[in-house]
Amino acid sequence: DSGVTQTPKHLITATGQRVTLRCSPRSGDLSVYWYQQSLDQGLQFLIQYYNGEERAKGNILERFSAQQFPDLHSELNLSSLELGDSALYFCASSVRTGPYEQYFGPGTRLTVT
Amino acid sequence: TQLLEQSPQFLSIQEGENLTVYCNSSSVFSSLQWYRQEPGEGPVLLVTVVTGGEVKKLKRLTFQFGDARKDSSLHITAAQPGDTGLYLCAGAPLGNYQLIWGAGTKLIIKP
Repeated sequence: DSGVTQTPKHLITATGQRVTLRCSPRSGDLSVYWYQQSLDQGLQFLIQYYNGEERAKGNILERFSAQQFPDLHSELNLSSLELGDSALYFCASSVRTGPYEQYFGPGTRLTVT
Repeated sequence: TQLLEQSPQFLSIQEGENLTVYCNSSSVFSSLQWYRQEPGEGPVLLVTVVTGGEVKKLKRLTFQFGDARKDSSLHITAAQPGDTGLYLCAGAPLGNYQLIWGAGTKLIIKP
């Protein structure tokens, strides 16, 4: 158990819909990262937050947005969903920003039908 | 563009064999991490290498950081079915705190 929690574990929704994925980092970790992993693919970095502020952006679509709250949990919002958005979405946390070990949650499997 | 290239992309071998997977770049890294991801789960850190030429061992797994800190290798001795998974390398380029990720090597060990 990494100490990172993600909800929900599975999500099935229709094209055009909007969903919110939630992540709680390990106790004491200030950085939260979001990744997308399509079937049999590597990790695609989406976005990072550090202590409530956006720190880095990767290949995140404009239809996607995220935020980190004062209690350090984070939410990833995906809107106008397309079939191609079906993937595993992972949240990871680290003690602070930088090349530190990242602890990954169990992921949310999103299926868009 | 800073890239980490992993090879091979896919490897399927019999239990008991040895194997090596590689993580290469043209960039210099301040550190490099190796993660293993099992199907349906999040990646888990195996090791971090920091010093050029560094060798770290984790039971049957041996990790090496290149002298120039541009590449790394993971060698598994006497592979077991429990070693099956996706092996990912991630590195922090010099002067950049953001980790970049390789695409991974998918390893299957057949009993």
